[in-house]
Amino acid sequence: DQQVKQNSPSLSVQEGRISILNCDYTNSMFDYFLWYKKYPAEGPTFLISISSIKDKNEDGRFTVFLNKSAKHLSLHIVPSQPGDSAVYFCAASPGNQFYFGTGTSLTVIP
Amino acid sequence: GAGVSQSPSNKVTEKGKDVELRCDPISGHTALYWYRQSLGQGLEFLIYFQGNSAPDKSGLPSDRFSAERTGGSVSTLTIQRTQQEDSAVYLCASSFLPHKGNTGELFFGEGSRLTVL
Repeated sequence: DQQVKQNSPSLSVQEGRISILNCDYTNSMFDYFLWYKKYPAEGPTFLISISSIKDKNEDGRFTVFLNKSAKHLSLHIVPSQPGDSAVYFCAASPGNQFYFGTGTSLTVIP
Repeated sequence: GAGVSQSPSNKVTEKGKDVELRCDPISGHTALYWYRQSLGQGLEFLIYFQGNSAPDKSGLPSDRFSAERTGGSVSTLTIQRTQQEDSAVYLCASSFLPHKGNTGELFFGEGSRLTVL
């Protein structure tokens, strides 16, 4: 059973606009959440994380929001750039194991 | 090395043959994970090693799959009698644990692409 879900397999946005990628989880024991970015033929690379004691974490153009009551997190990228085009995976951890979503392929159109 | 190293980067094998995939984690990382990504799928957990504890093998899809980690460092994932459905990119990752108190993210290798003909 998929404990971390990314219901949108793909997303296209215009350069300069905001990209919003969504992720839902089912396990209330998850207390640490991460986003990874993956280019073709490369391993995923860490992008940004958030602990369950926070509801927002910002790093440059990237902001992650966590809504614990809804078991939902989102990644905002603003402004979006063509180099942001990649597959984005969200992940959640209860302390040891990491559970990944199925990924959202983001295309930023120049 | 500076990052997680995996070998081979590509492996083509015939159905029924055994394969071994190697992962060299970042020095000092106590946790090591194997995931696989089949075509069009997400990251599927396979196995997790943490220090000297017994590994979490709950993600291994069948008894044809096994993994070991020698000396708390290098890990080998072995697939016996490979099947076509084993074709995937096998990703290794390492991290410090526990994540509380540090960033705790996983550092991935570039993966080993396995094709079973």
